[in-house]
Amino acid sequence: NAGVTQTPKFRVLKTGQSMTLLCAQDMNHEYMYWYRQDPGMGLRLIHYSVGEGTTAKGEVPDGYNVSRLKKQNFLLGLESAAPSQTSVYFCASRRASVGETQYFGPGTRLLVL
Amino acid sequence: GQQVMQIPQYQHVQEGEDFTTYCNSSTTLSNIQWYKQRPGGHPVFLIQLVSGEVKKQKRLTFQFGEAKKNSSLHITATQTTDVGTYFCSSGNTPLVFGKGTRLSVIA
Repeated sequence: NAGVTQTPKFRVLKTGQSMTLLCAQDMNHEYMYWYRQDPGMGLRLIHYSVGEGTTAKGEVPDGYNVSRLKKQNFLLGLESAAPSQTSVYFCASRRASVGETQYFGPGTRLLVL
Repeated sequence: GQQVMQIPQYQHVQEGEDFTTYCNSSTTLSNIQWYKQRPGGHPVFLIQLVSGEVKKQKRLTFQFGEAKKNSSLHITATQTTDVGTYFCSSGNTPLVFGKGTRLSVIA
């Protein structure tokens, strides 16, 4: 089991460029999440999905889009990157039952110049 | 919406001293989970508690109050391996995380 994997690990973008972050999990988890982590701000939820083909907005969704076409993958897109989106992005997944453990990926460090 | 607050935000201790972080919710929680994130790493699940539970993992003691709003993590005799940020979270999907308590241990 690889668990939760994220690609890329690190990326530098120029303002206005677009990119997609890929999250993959091999645990057959129903729920998947994208968080961003900034110094002193903890983990803030961007978008999440409770199943294939469904997505929902989290706390800070503006400037991001997501897709969950396959159960094992959850994509996070930045259509027009801004310096305010410089952050560390974590993907996570868990089973659907109440109280299940959430497993995090290793993170993607994004720098927008 | 549901909010989970953690205090303190930072804590610096000498190795061997004890450490406690507190987690307080604005609403009652069905359960609470604690995670640890090492510097440069990702959050890793430590434990889950339901109302009234006290659980121990070696030098770590976790409590979740009967009122279902307050929880704490206490580390006895800290070691340098305890360095990191400790997060509490709760709720059903999506999990709501506190901002974490960053622990530094001075050898």
